[in-house]
Amino acid sequence: GAGVSQSPSNKVTEKGKDVELRCDPISGHTALYWYRQRLGQGLEFLIYFQGNSAPDKSGLPSDRFSAERTGESVSTLTIQRTQQEDSAVYLCASSLFFSWSYEQYFGPGTRLTVT
Amino acid sequence: GQQVMQIPQYQHVQEGEDFTTYCNSSTTLSNIQWYKQRPGGHPVFLIQLVKSGEVKKQKRLTFQFGEAKKNSSLHITATQTTDVGTYFCAGSDRDDKIIFGKGTRLHILP
Repeated sequence: GAGVSQSPSNKVTEKGKDVELRCDPISGHTALYWYRQRLGQGLEFLIYFQGNSAPDKSGLPSDRFSAERTGESVSTLTIQRTQQEDSAVYLCASSLFFSWSYEQYFGPGTRLTVT
Repeated sequence: GQQVMQIPQYQHVQEGEDFTTYCNSSTTLSNIQWYKQRPGGHPVFLIQLVKSGEVKKQKRLTFQFGEAKKNSSLHITATQTTDVGTYFCAGSDRDDKIIFGKGTRLHILP
């Protein structure tokens, strides 16, 4: 079956603009995760969804970041008033159920460049 | 808060040599996972370790979880060019978020 897909694959935006990043998890996966990976760095956990609910939003870097998930499927990560420090690859992953013990399947990521 | 440190940051080895990356946590972990990210690619799950002192093997890869469940290692025997990439460990305790190490970037010299 299809893996995790993300769109767009690349996004260049001007500082101050809003962007929306989309993630389509593996069908049937109830858990979905967002990460940020700056150049040459590890993965920074942002938020996870259990179904459509995000129990813990403390990983989001600032209130300019928000995420939602509908229909236990697609998720969007929105960054408002983008800043240059937001430039990174944003990775989405999904797993069958939520647990930090479950294998996560990653999408190809969205490379965001803020100019 | 919980921290996961990974060393070395970079490693260059001749093809055929062995390679080891180490992962150390500031707190006791309930489990640790290892991922591989090829250049330009996304992380791919390799394995999970749960038990104290656990050792698991996948062909030329050997994964260990320390007795205190605060450290782990990945050892590759006789590296091949296909092993190129960045290897990440990711640890979590029972109630906390998953924390990824910064990764070890492996370069293979032919």
